[in-house]
Amino acid sequence: QITLKESGPTLVKPTQTLTLTCAFSGFSLSTPGVGVAWIRQSPGKALEWLALIYWNDDQRYSPSLKSRLTVTMDTPKNQVVLTMTNVDPVDTATYYCAHRYVYDGNCFDQWGQGALVTVSS
Amino acid sequence: DIQMTQSPSSLSASVGDRVTITCRASQGISTWLAWYQQKPEEAPKSLIHSASTLQSGVPSRFSGSGSGTDFTLTISSLQPEDFATYYCQQYNSYPLTFGGGTKVEIK
Repeated sequence: QITLKESGPTLVKPTQTLTLTCAFSGFSLSTPGVGVAWIRQSPGKALEWLALIYWNDDQRYSPSLKSRLTVTMDTPKNQVVLTMTNVDPVDTATYYCAHRYVYDGNCFDQWGQGALVTVSS
Repeated sequence: DIQMTQSPSSLSASVGDRVTITCRASQGISTWLAWYQQKPEEAPKSLIHSASTLQSGVPSRFSGSGSGTDFTLTISSLQPEDFATYYCQQYNSYPLTFGGGTKVEIK
């Protein structure tokens, strides 16, 4: 059974760096085809894809946020970390990590519960 | 970027109704399309991938169709637990993009 859970600060000040951790179980990032994505949802808004890291450490980013995002993996710990620099109130959102559905490309079959992050001074 | 446009943005329906949601891609994406269901205060749940393949455990009243630029999600007989917001997502190319969502409300 695949599970994912996001953790990190609930409140961040503008210009600071946000670091979120996705702890998962039920799969390994050393398995070919596996990937973990970060997706966010601003209050009352639609879903927005941010980044995706693959088992081979290939990373893909949303072009609009690429300069501010870094995604890394810690395979032995079964964790993926998202770092977002220079946050702004518009980055207030629920941040989800999700498991890439290995049998069919970059869609997501399991999601974490989400972590609400508020950016405010 | 491929833009995904869903319609309608919201609809009201009754239990037992047949409901159809449309998703249009700004360029062809073959069948690289997924559908998700999201209930209030919950994470999205995967319903369909490859435009028409149900994820394991998803009720058969859900179905998906389409290819290229036009896709539909159909609920054949709406159940109380189906009242939610539905999103399409293309995974033909980066950046991965989602539709704006369709909220299905109780009439």
